[in-house]
Amino acid sequence: DAGITQSPRHKVTETGTPVTLRCHQTENHRYMYWYRQDPGHGLRLIHYSYGVKDTDKGEVSDGYSVSRSKTEDFLLTLESATSSQTSVYFCAISEPRDGGFPLHFGNGTRLTVT
Amino acid sequence: SQQGEEDPQALSIQEGENATMNCSYKTSINNLQWYRQNSGRGLVHLILIRSNEREKHSGRLRVTLDTSKKSSSLLITASRAADTASYFCATVQGGYQKVTFGTGTKLQVIP
Repeated sequence: DAGITQSPRHKVTETGTPVTLRCHQTENHRYMYWYRQDPGHGLRLIHYSYGVKDTDKGEVSDGYSVSRSKTEDFLLTLESATSSQTSVYFCAISEPRDGGFPLHFGNGTRLTVT
Repeated sequence: SQQGEEDPQALSIQEGENATMNCSYKTSINNLQWYRQNSGRGLVHLILIRSNEREKHSGRLRVTLDTSKKSSSLLITASRAADTASYFCATVQGGYQKVTFGTGTKLQVIP
């Protein structure tokens, strides 16, 4: 799947604990994105990155932070997990090509906060 | 609130019929894209239309864009059971390529 690996694939954690999700790409794409998907909401953008150390907030960034210290890795951290952050998290990458800008998605991480 | 909203939320049609999904968005865009998702897997890119284009075709897909109304539609012609999936529009905005998605349309094609 376009050289994108999300880890872990599944995680159960307790309220108040920190959690880090990892997105790793082998495509050397400049742009990386973190989304969460919940029933009735589609995909909502959490944070995105347009280069190493360059990140910006999305629609639902409260309670989340990100880091991108190298091109291939984009980390999403929940500083203190809450039950409302139970969701499926998707990472996506992209690079402008021939006037197009398709996103390629990872297989998702299912996070449950108890 | 989300940038895009899709309509209808769910659509059920017979195989061979056409399916039309609509997307409305709120702010100016660089381009608009449509994606498909099967059963909670990652999304797959279908087609992109630039802000200066009005219509685009790809196989059985036809996309229109009306920037004055901030809306787009996706038409799938001669639908097949394998087209059963959720479909999402996505808008690309700004110089840093912020990409936000609509709420999706769940399409069921009945054999």
